[in-house]
Formats: sequence, structure tokens, C-alpha cells
Amino acid sequence: AQTVTQSQPEMSVQEAETVTLSCTYDTSESDYYLFWYKQPPSRQMILVIRQEAYKQQNATENRFSVNFQKAAKSFSLKISDSQLGDAAMYFCASGGTASKLTFGTGTRLQVTL
Amino acid sequence: DAGVIQSPRHEVTEMGQEVTLRCKPISGHDYLFWYRQTMMRGLELLIYFNNNVPIDDSGMPEDRFSAKMPNASFSTLKIQPSEPRDSAVYFCASSLGQGPSPLHFGNGTRLTVT
Repeated sequence: AQTVTQSQPEMSVQEAETVTLSCTYDTSESDYYLFWYKQPPSRQMILVIRQEAYKQQNATENRFSVNFQKAAKSFSLKISDSQLGDAAMYFCASGGTASKLTFGTGTRLQVTL
Repeated sequence: DAGVIQSPRHEVTEMGQEVTLRCKPISGHDYLFWYRQTMMRGLELLIYFNNNVPIDDSGMPEDRFSAKMPNASFSTLKIQPSEPRDSAVYFCASSLGQGPSPLHFGNGTRLTVT
């Protein structure tokens, strides 16, 4: 069984600043993957970044990076140089080899001028 | 690639009516997932298919819900009879291979049952 916890229902960041969204997970799988998805008001779920648990190096995609702490079962998302278009709901998700993903409850990110 | 296509985008129906939601996955993807999103429960996996075969339907809430995948390019989620508590956004997603691979989501169907 897998559980994903996002303890921050809402976060706010000023444009051009950096923000970190938290996520913790629990899994019985030895081989698993972690994801961050973005859901803007359009409702579309968009993959932001992916991390394989067997890799020690933190994944990076342009302004988005993760801090993966395997022992602590923590997987936070850092957004650098925040832009107005980053405003959205962000979902952390975990999945094992069975291909299905378990999602957290989401963090709503506001970006202010 | 057109992405995952869901229809309709919005559906409003009266309690007791049958509702059918449709999904066309990305060509070549061998996994298909149906998720439901509500404010109270977030994103819940209802059922998923591999190569058109249902693998895990433990998330289907009640017998009123059924899903089919008659071929690799089409799936339906049916609710009969519908109830107001079924109101939610229903997402279809597809992926390629195990891993799991990233899910590619459709735009969702917002269902309102009055």
C-alpha cells in the first residue's frame, strides 16, 4: 500500500522568488517512482518532474528541482524564479512497479506580483 | 500526437440517469487508468487496464460503476444509476509500459448529477 501526504494546502510566492512544496510518502515497494504533477485552472494534469527511487541524484527540469530524501521518505519540489504561469495545484504522486499512481491531496500555489 | 481524448468535457444529468464517459488513450500506450477527483477525496484511482484487460478495479466505489475497454483505442466508464454524490471530475490517463511510466491525462469530464 502507498500513501502520499502533502501538508501544505496553500502556498504563496512572489514572482521571481523560490518556493518549496513538501511531500512525504510511505510505500512497501522496494522499487518505486515519484512524480510531481501540475494542475492549472484549465484542469489538465501536467507532469512536472519524475524521480526514480533507485537514483540518488535529484531530478531537475529547468526551474523545477526536487530534494529526494529516501530515508526520510521525503520528496519536495523547488520552483526557482517563480512565474505567474506557475500558479496551479501541485500534486505529489508515488507509484511502484504495478504502474498505478497514488496522489497526495495537493498544494495550491499562488504567485503574486 | 493528440494526447488522451475524453468526452464529453461537461455532463449534467439528473439523479437516476445513466452516464457514459468516454476515453481515447494515446496510440501505442498499453495502460489505461480512470481516476476521480473531488474536493473531499482528491484523486482516486477507480480502475486500470493493461492491454485492454482490467487489472485492478478495487477503487470502483459501487456496482453502479462499470468500465470497459473493448479495444486498445477506446474505453468507457459507466454509472447507472447516477447519484448526486457521483458529481466529480473524472480523468482518463494512459501510459506506456511498466515502471510506472508517467501518466498522460486527458482534460477530464466534469460530471454534475442533480
